[in-house]
Amino acid sequence: DQQVKQNSPSLSVQEGRISILNCDYTNSMFDYFLWYKKYPAEGPTFLISISSIKDKNEDGRFTVFLNKSAKHLSLHIVPSQPGDSAVYFCAAKGGGADGLTFGKGTHLIIQP
Amino acid sequence: NAGVTQTPKFRVLKTGQSMTLLCAQDMNHEYMYWYRQDPGMGLRLIHYSVGEGTTAKGEVPDGYNVSRLKKQNFLLGLESAAPSQTSVYFCASSRSTGTGNQPQHFGDGTRLSIL
Repeated sequence: DQQVKQNSPSLSVQEGRISILNCDYTNSMFDYFLWYKKYPAEGPTFLISISSIKDKNEDGRFTVFLNKSAKHLSLHIVPSQPGDSAVYFCAAKGGGADGLTFGKGTHLIIQP
Repeated sequence: NAGVTQTPKFRVLKTGQSMTLLCAQDMNHEYMYWYRQDPGMGLRLIHYSVGEGTTAKGEVPDGYNVSRLKKQNFLLGLESAAPSQTSVYFCASSRSTGTGNQPQHFGDGTRLSIL
C-alpha cells in the first residue's frame, strides 16, 4: 500500500500564477518531508523540506505547508516560471537510517 | 564538483547475465543509497549503507547485492538479470540521515534494459 500519495499525475499552470502541488501520507511515523524536482534524464534535485514539528517552511518562491492532523502537505510555487516545468516528487522519512519513501510524482507544466 | 556520478548511463543485458552498477560520490558523505524508478512510479529503495563496510536492505532488495568497500563508492550488482529488473536506477548520498539541511543528493541515473 502506498504510504505517500500524489493524486494528481499532472498540473498545468499559467506563468506568473501560483502552482500548488499536493501530497498525502498514511504513516504517522514519518517525521520529515521533502520535495524533489526532476527534469528528464536527470536525477532528482532537492527543493525544500519540512520537519513534522513545523507547519510551514519558506525558501524564496517555494513554500511547503504541513497539516499533520490531515496527514497532508502541499508545495506552493509563486510566481510560477517556465523553468519550473518538471516532475515534482513528495518524499517522506521516518526516524531511522533508511532511505526516503517517494510518491509517484506530479508533472507540472507552466504555460506561457 | 561532480557530486554523485553513476556508471554506466545506459546498458542493455540479456536475461541471466550479470553486471555491476557503480556509484561514486566526492562529498565525503557517510550514507549512500540505491533506488529504482519504474514508469509512472516513485523511487523505491533497494539497499542502503550508513558507512564504509556496512549495507542494509531497503524496500525491494530481492535480486540485488551491494558492497561499500570504500566510503566514496557504492556498488549495485545483479547476479542473474531478469526482465522485471528493467528500470532506471538512481544512486544517492547524504551526510547523515538525509533530512533537513542535509538532504540526499542524487546521480543522473542508469537506464537498464533486460531483454
